[in-house]
Amino acid sequence: NAGVTQTPKFQVLKTGQSMTLQCAQDMNHNSMYWYRQDPGMGLRLIYYSASEGTTDKGEVPNGYNVSRLNKREFSLRLESAAPSQTSVYFCASRGFDGTGGSNQPQHFGDGTRLSIL
Amino acid sequence: AQSVTQLGSHVSVSEGALVLLRCNYSSSVPPYLFWYVQYPNQGLQLLLKYTSAATLVKGINGFEAEFKKSETSFHLTKPSAHMSDAAEYFCAVSTLSQGAQKLVFGQGTRLTINP
Repeated sequence: NAGVTQTPKFQVLKTGQSMTLQCAQDMNHNSMYWYRQDPGMGLRLIYYSASEGTTDKGEVPNGYNVSRLNKREFSLRLESAAPSQTSVYFCASRGFDGTGGSNQPQHFGDGTRLSIL
Repeated sequence: AQSVTQLGSHVSVSEGALVLLRCNYSSSVPPYLFWYVQYPNQGLQLLLKYTSAATLVKGINGFEAEFKKSETSFHLTKPSAHMSDAAEYFCAVSTLSQGAQKLVFGQGTRLTINP
Protein backbone atom coordinates (compact mmCIF):
# COMPACT_ATOMS: atom_id res chain seq x y z
CA ASN A 1 0.00 0.00 0.00
CA ALA A 2 2.91 2.36 -0.80
CA GLY A 3 1.11 4.93 -3.00
CA VAL A 4 3.60 7.62 -4.06
CA THR A 5 7.20 7.10 -2.94
CA GLN A 6 9.82 9.85 -3.10
CA THR A 7 13.56 9.49 -2.62
CA PRO A 8 15.58 10.86 -0.98
CA LYS A 9 13.67 12.36 1.95
CA PHE A 10 16.38 14.89 2.76
CA GLN A 11 19.31 16.30 0.81
CA VAL A 12 21.85 19.08 1.21
CA LEU A 13 23.64 20.34 -1.88
CA LYS A 14 26.20 22.98 -2.66
CA THR A 15 25.47 25.67 -5.21
CA GLY A 16 26.19 24.38 -8.70
CA GLN A 17 25.81 20.69 -7.89
CA SER A 18 23.29 18.56 -9.71
CA MET A 19 20.88 15.96 -8.43
CA THR A 20 17.83 13.96 -9.40
CA LEU A 21 14.76 13.53 -7.23
CA GLN A 22 13.00 10.24 -7.77
CA CYS A 23 9.28 9.51 -7.64
CA ALA A 24 7.40 6.27 -8.19
CA GLN A 25 3.72 5.38 -7.86
CA ASP A 26 2.14 1.96 -7.68
CA MET A 27 -1.48 2.93 -8.37
CA ASN A 28 -1.30 2.62 -12.18
CA HIS A 29 -2.00 6.34 -12.50
CA ASN A 30 -1.65 8.12 -15.81
CA SER A 31 -0.71 11.61 -14.65
CA MET A 32 2.21 12.63 -12.47
CA TYR A 33 3.29 16.01 -11.10
CA TRP A 34 6.14 17.80 -9.39
CA TYR A 35 5.48 20.70 -7.00
CA ARG A 36 7.58 22.85 -4.77
CA GLN A 37 6.32 24.17 -1.45
CA ASP A 38 7.64 27.39 0.03
CA PRO A 39 6.37 29.17 3.16
CA GLY A 40 3.33 31.34 2.49
CA MET A 41 3.12 30.35 -1.17
CA GLY A 42 1.24 27.09 -1.11
CA LEU A 43 2.30 24.52 -3.69
CA ARG A 44 3.45 25.58 -7.13
CA LEU A 45 3.54 23.26 -10.10
CA ILE A 46 6.98 22.76 -11.65
CA TYR A 47 6.31 20.13 -14.35
CA TYR A 48 3.68 17.54 -15.06
CA SER A 49 3.18 14.50 -17.22
CA ALA A 50 -0.35 13.83 -18.41
CA SER A 51 0.55 10.35 -19.60
CA GLU A 52 3.55 8.17 -20.25
CA GLY A 53 5.72 9.79 -22.91
CA THR A 54 4.56 13.38 -22.38
CA THR A 55 5.80 16.18 -20.14
CA ASP A 56 4.82 19.84 -19.89
CA LYS A 57 5.92 22.92 -18.01
CA GLY A 58 3.99 24.17 -15.04
CA GLU A 59 4.10 27.51 -13.27
CA VAL A 60 7.78 27.52 -12.20
CA PRO A 61 9.85 25.29 -14.54
CA ASN A 62 13.04 27.33 -14.80
CA GLY A 63 16.11 25.49 -13.52
CA TYR A 64 14.46 22.06 -13.65
CA ASN A 65 14.10 19.17 -16.06
CA VAL A 66 11.95 16.06 -15.83
CA SER A 67 11.82 12.56 -17.24
CA ARG A 68 8.80 10.28 -17.37
CA LEU A 69 10.80 7.07 -17.34
CA ASN A 70 7.76 4.79 -17.59
CA LYS A 71 4.21 4.83 -16.28
CA ARG A 72 5.36 4.40 -12.67
CA GLU A 73 8.31 6.78 -12.47
CA PHE A 74 8.72 10.52 -12.88
CA SER A 75 12.03 12.15 -11.96
CA LEU A 76 12.97 15.79 -11.39
CA ARG A 77 16.50 16.99 -12.11
CA LEU A 78 18.31 20.09 -10.93
CA GLU A 79 21.23 20.57 -13.33
CA SER A 80 22.96 23.38 -11.42
CA ALA A 81 21.43 23.92 -8.02
CA ALA A 82 20.88 27.46 -6.74
CA PRO A 83 19.98 28.65 -3.21
CA SER A 84 16.59 29.81 -4.57
CA GLN A 85 15.76 26.15 -5.16
CA THR A 86 15.86 25.37 -1.46
CA SER A 87 12.39 24.02 -0.88
CA VAL A 88 10.28 21.00 -0.13
CA TYR A 89 9.47 19.07 -3.30
CA PHE A 90 6.36 16.95 -3.66
CA CYS A 91 5.49 14.43 -6.28
CA ALA A 92 1.85 13.55 -6.95
CA SER A 93 -0.08 11.22 -9.21
CA ARG A 94 -3.65 11.04 -10.44
CA GLY A 95 -5.72 8.34 -12.06
CA PHE A 96 -7.99 8.75 -15.06
CA ASP A 97 -11.68 8.72 -14.24
CA GLY A 98 -12.78 7.73 -17.72
CA THR A 99 -14.85 10.82 -18.33
CA GLY A 100 -12.15 13.37 -19.01
CA GLY A 101 -13.25 15.33 -16.00
CA SER A 102 -10.96 16.90 -13.46
CA ASN A 103 -12.60 15.77 -10.23
CA GLN A 104 -10.20 12.99 -9.38
CA PRO A 105 -7.85 13.97 -6.56
CA GLN A 106 -4.11 13.91 -6.74
CA HIS A 107 -2.21 11.63 -4.37
CA PHE A 108 0.95 13.02 -2.81
CA GLY A 109 4.23 11.59 -1.61
CA ASP A 110 5.83 12.63 1.68
CA GLY A 111 8.21 15.09 0.04
CA THR A 112 11.93 15.69 -0.36
CA ARG A 113 13.42 18.43 1.78
CA LEU A 114 16.21 20.03 -0.23
CA SER A 115 18.67 22.61 1.08
CA ILE A 116 21.15 24.33 -1.19
CA LEU A 117 24.04 26.16 0.42
CA ALA B 1 -7.53 31.70 -15.08
CA GLN B 2 -8.54 29.82 -11.98
CA SER B 3 -7.26 31.00 -8.61
CA VAL B 4 -7.83 30.38 -4.91
CA THR B 5 -7.56 32.72 -1.95
CA GLN B 6 -7.44 31.45 1.61
CA LEU B 7 -8.31 34.13 4.12
CA GLY B 8 -6.03 33.95 7.12
CA SER B 9 -2.63 32.31 7.07
CA HIS B 10 -3.02 31.33 10.73
CA VAL B 11 -6.15 30.36 12.65
CA SER B 12 -6.18 29.50 16.32
CA VAL B 13 -9.13 27.92 18.13
CA SER B 14 -9.72 26.24 21.47
CA GLU B 15 -10.24 22.53 21.73
CA GLY B 16 -13.96 21.83 21.32
CA ALA B 17 -14.62 25.09 19.46
CA LEU B 18 -15.87 25.51 15.91
CA VAL B 19 -13.26 25.43 13.17
CA LEU B 20 -13.85 27.68 10.15
CA LEU B 21 -11.23 27.94 7.40
CA ARG B 22 -12.10 30.23 4.52
CA CYS B 23 -11.54 29.65 0.83
CA ASN B 24 -12.69 31.76 -2.10
CA TYR B 25 -12.12 30.77 -5.68
CA SER B 26 -12.12 32.33 -9.09
CA SER B 27 -13.08 30.18 -12.04
CA SER B 28 -14.51 30.81 -15.49
CA VAL B 29 -16.12 27.37 -15.58
CA PRO B 30 -17.93 25.29 -12.95
CA PRO B 31 -15.11 24.41 -10.60
CA TYR B 32 -13.92 21.23 -9.01
CA LEU B 33 -12.65 22.12 -5.55
CA PHE B 34 -10.57 20.25 -3.01
CA TRP B 35 -9.40 20.61 0.57
CA TYR B 36 -6.16 18.94 1.56
CA VAL B 37 -4.52 18.64 4.99
CA GLN B 38 -0.80 18.49 5.67
CA TYR B 39 0.53 17.23 9.00
CA PRO B 40 4.11 18.13 9.95
CA ASN B 41 6.75 16.54 7.75
CA GLN B 42 4.17 14.75 5.66
CA GLY B 43 2.62 15.08 2.25
CA LEU B 44 -0.87 16.35 1.47
CA GLN B 45 -3.85 14.18 2.27
CA LEU B 46 -7.26 14.66 0.70
CA LEU B 47 -9.93 15.85 3.15
CA LEU B 48 -12.82 16.27 0.74
CA LYS B 49 -13.76 17.32 -2.77
CA TYR B 50 -16.61 19.14 -4.46
CA THR B 51 -17.77 17.70 -7.75
CA SER B 52 -21.18 19.39 -8.20
CA ALA B 53 -23.18 16.39 -6.94
CA ALA B 54 -24.03 18.17 -3.67
CA THR B 55 -23.22 21.59 -2.29
CA LEU B 56 -22.49 20.27 1.23
CA VAL B 57 -19.59 17.88 1.14
CA LYS B 58 -18.55 15.66 4.03
CA GLY B 59 -14.96 14.59 4.38
CA ILE B 60 -12.75 12.65 6.71
CA ASN B 61 -12.14 13.41 10.40
CA GLY B 62 -15.49 15.21 10.82
CA PHE B 63 -14.76 18.02 8.38
CA GLU B 64 -17.25 19.35 5.86
CA ALA B 65 -17.36 22.15 3.33
CA GLU B 66 -20.17 24.02 1.65
CA PHE B 67 -19.99 25.21 -1.94
CA LYS B 68 -21.66 28.60 -2.42
CA LYS B 69 -21.64 29.70 -6.03
CA SER B 70 -23.09 33.15 -5.30
CA GLU B 71 -20.23 33.85 -2.90
CA THR B 72 -17.58 31.89 -4.87
CA SER B 73 -16.68 30.22 -1.59
CA PHE B 74 -15.85 26.75 -0.33
CA HIS B 75 -15.26 27.20 3.39
CA LEU B 76 -14.14 24.26 5.54
CA THR B 77 -15.76 23.66 8.93
CA LYS B 78 -15.68 21.25 11.82
CA PRO B 79 -18.11 21.63 14.74
CA SER B 80 -15.67 20.69 17.49
CA ALA B 81 -11.91 21.00 17.18
CA HIS B 82 -9.61 18.26 18.42
CA MET B 83 -5.92 18.58 19.23
CA SER B 84 -5.16 16.19 16.38
CA ASP B 85 -6.61 18.71 13.88
CA ALA B 86 -3.54 20.93 14.24
CA ALA B 87 -2.06 21.02 10.73
CA GLU B 88 -1.87 23.13 7.60
CA TYR B 89 -4.88 23.15 5.31
CA PHE B 90 -4.89 23.88 1.60
CA CYS B 91 -7.79 24.71 -0.67
CA ALA B 92 -7.31 23.96 -4.38
CA VAL B 93 -9.23 24.40 -7.63
CA SER B 94 -8.88 21.97 -10.50
CA THR B 95 -8.40 22.86 -14.15
CA LEU B 96 -8.03 20.78 -17.27
CA SER B 97 -5.29 21.65 -19.72
CA GLN B 98 -4.39 19.53 -22.73
CA GLY B 99 -5.94 16.49 -21.12
CA ALA B 100 -4.17 16.90 -17.80
CA GLN B 101 -5.69 18.04 -14.56
CA LYS B 102 -3.82 20.80 -12.80
CA LEU B 103 -4.41 21.98 -9.26
CA VAL B 104 -4.06 25.62 -8.26
CA PHE B 105 -3.49 25.88 -4.52
CA GLY B 106 -4.21 28.61 -2.04
CA GLN B 107 -1.45 29.84 0.23
CA GLY B 108 -2.48 27.56 3.06
CA THR B 109 -3.92 28.13 6.56
CA ARG B 110 -2.10 26.85 9.60
CA LEU B 111 -4.57 25.69 12.25
CA THR B 112 -3.50 25.74 15.89
CA ILE B 113 -5.62 24.12 18.62
CA ASN B 114 -5.33 25.52 22.13
CA PRO B 115 -5.99 23.15 25.05
